[in-house]
Formats: sequence, C-alpha cells, structure tokens
Amino acid sequence: EAQLVESGGGLVRPGGSLKLSCAVSGFTVTNNYMNWVRQAPGKELEWVSIIYSGARTNYADSVKGRFTISRHNSKNTLFLQMSSLRPEDTAVYYCTRTSYDSGGLTGMDVWGQGTTVIVSS
Amino acid sequence: QPVLTQPPSASASLGASVTLTCTLNSGFNDYKVDWYQQRPGKGPRFMMRVGIGGIVGSKGDGIPDRFSVSGSGLNRFLTIKDIQEEDESDYYCGADHGYGTTFMYVFGSGTKVTVL
Repeated sequence: EAQLVESGGGLVRPGGSLKLSCAVSGFTVTNNYMNWVRQAPGKELEWVSIIYSGARTNYADSVKGRFTISRHNSKNTLFLQMSSLRPEDTAVYYCTRTSYDSGGLTGMDVWGQGTTVIVSS
Repeated sequence: QPVLTQPPSASASLGASVTLTCTLNSGFNDYKVDWYQQRPGKGPRFMMRVGIGGIVGSKGDGIPDRFSVSGSGLNRFLTIKDIQEEDESDYYCGADHGYGTTFMYVFGSGTKVTVL
C-alpha cells in the first residue's frame, strides 16, 4: 500500500528555516513525480513544488528562491527545505504523489496526513 | 494559466443527489480536472480525474460508485448520488499546466458540501 508520512513541522520565527521530510513506502520515490502542497488555516489548497522522476524541479512563484525540494533515493524520502520563512508560509504541508501513464499526468493520487508549520514571532 | 472557479457551498438532503461544478476559464476547455475530497480535520484524498469526455483513468482507492464525473464545455462536474453523512466535506478541483520549469498545479477555492 502506498503511504506518505510527513514530519518536521513546528514553530519558527520569521526569517528562519525548517526542513520537512516525507517518508515514502509502497512505491519508489525516484520513479514518481512528487509534490508538496500546502493549506493555510481556513484556506484552499496551494501547490508548492514538484520534483520529477528525473530530478528536475519547479516551484510556485510564492516560494521560488526560498524553498528547495529534494529527495534521498536510498532512504526513499522526500524533503522540503524552507528558508526566509514568512508568516504567510504558515500552513499544513502535504506530501503528494502525482501519477502518470502513457496519456500524461493522472492526478495527485496519494497524500500524506500533513505536518503543520507556524511562522510567528 | 488555468483558473478554476467553484461555488463556495452546496447542500443536499440525506439520500438525495448533488452536482458540484468546477469551471475553467476561457481557452482551457480541453483541460482535465482532478477532484479531491477533504473531510473535516483530514487531509485531501484523490477521487478521480475528468475531461470533457468524462472520467479519465481510474477512481481513487475506496471511492464509492455513487460518485461520478462528467464534463461539458468549460465545466467539470462531480455528482454525488444518494448522499451520505460521511460525504459532508470540502471538495476541491485541481488542474496541472505545463511541464518542467513551466509546470504549475492550480486548485479551485473549494465547495463545502453540507448534508441536511
């Protein structure tokens, strides 16, 4: 069974850094596209970043230059390094898998339970 | 880039049907949309992908048969038949756009479904 378990959230001061982890089981992180998606309190979902199976990455404009997505292949783990954090980065952060087939992408079909990041002084 | 518009709320009596709408902006009528369910206090779960011709691929794990999708023009619909109390959730649609360094994924603002 495919499973994602996030960790690493917490309280951090504005301008600080935090690194989130997502432990992957049931499939191989290197063979899939992986994302981070966040949800601010009472708000809608917001896509944050993607890492492709070939390790190419992309980011939402709101985090570009401040966040870095990466993975550890042998540990089958996804990461999100967040720096220069702002109060507006406060959210629950979800790790997700995007599946694909010969027809293209098929949606974010596996989600973790989320980890909470609070940026406040 | 695609913009997805959802009404903020919908309601239906227990056992009735309700159809949720996700509307794409002009020029994106060939886009596929993903539907997600988020129960109170929980993370989202994937329901299914829909294009103008209907469902694309398979439903997400454990999604009951009473959930179905369809598409027409710029609209992508999620229909819940015989609605149950456990269907009371926020429903989000989402769509991917581009690839590589141009990739983005956009979500609608969500529809809160209340079971009366």
